[in-house]
Amino acid sequence: KAGVTQTPRYLIKTRGQQVTLSCSPISGHRSVSWYQQTPGQGLQFLFEYFSETQRNKGNFPGRFSGRQFSNSRSEMNVSTLELGDSALYLCASSPMRGVNEKLFFGSGTQLSVL
Amino acid sequence: GQQVMQIPQYQHVQEGEDFTTYCNSSTTLSNIQWYKQRPGGHPVFLIQLVKSGEVKKQKRLTFQFGEAKKNSSLHITATQTTDVGTYFCAGPGYGNKLVFGAGTILRVKS
Repeated sequence: KAGVTQTPRYLIKTRGQQVTLSCSPISGHRSVSWYQQTPGQGLQFLFEYFSETQRNKGNFPGRFSGRQFSNSRSEMNVSTLELGDSALYLCASSPMRGVNEKLFFGSGTQLSVL
Repeated sequence: GQQVMQIPQYQHVQEGEDFTTYCNSSTTLSNIQWYKQRPGGHPVFLIQLVKSGEVKKQKRLTFQFGEAKKNSSLHITATQTTDVGTYFCAGPGYGNKLVFGAGTILRVKS
């Protein structure tokens, strides 16, 4: 089985722009979660999608949004980029929802905001 | 809200020495998971502990879940250079979210 695929691998944007990141989960996995990873803050939960619905949201401003499609692929969008949004954005999938599920992470998208 | 505290933040050991990272929660956890992230890589699931007092081994790695299910540890015996990376614990948080500890960075001197 192919692993979790995230595109693009690297992105460079400027302040004020918006960005869309893509995640294709492992085949058969229906839950997709997004995490932001920075050296100082570790892994911070952004949101979780299951069956095309956002099931959970972390403590991030409304500039961060996402969606999930019927094939379980997910996208996250960040509008009006700020310097502090520079981070590694990780997508993780699991077969079902729930905190007992182990997560399979993609390689991430490294976003740099200049 | 639910926090998972992990210590130490960083450890630099000589190859062959042992290494331990600790994870503590303010509330009882239904389970705890451990992940490893190699430098430049992404987190990879290592193990999940569910039972009070549970101990599981994977070769040189020993994982423990406390009796009160509020703490956990990962111990590596005789570290090797392949052990370098960041080790994260993760537990259920408020609102059915998986909350990660800040991670322990392990560096191994050969």
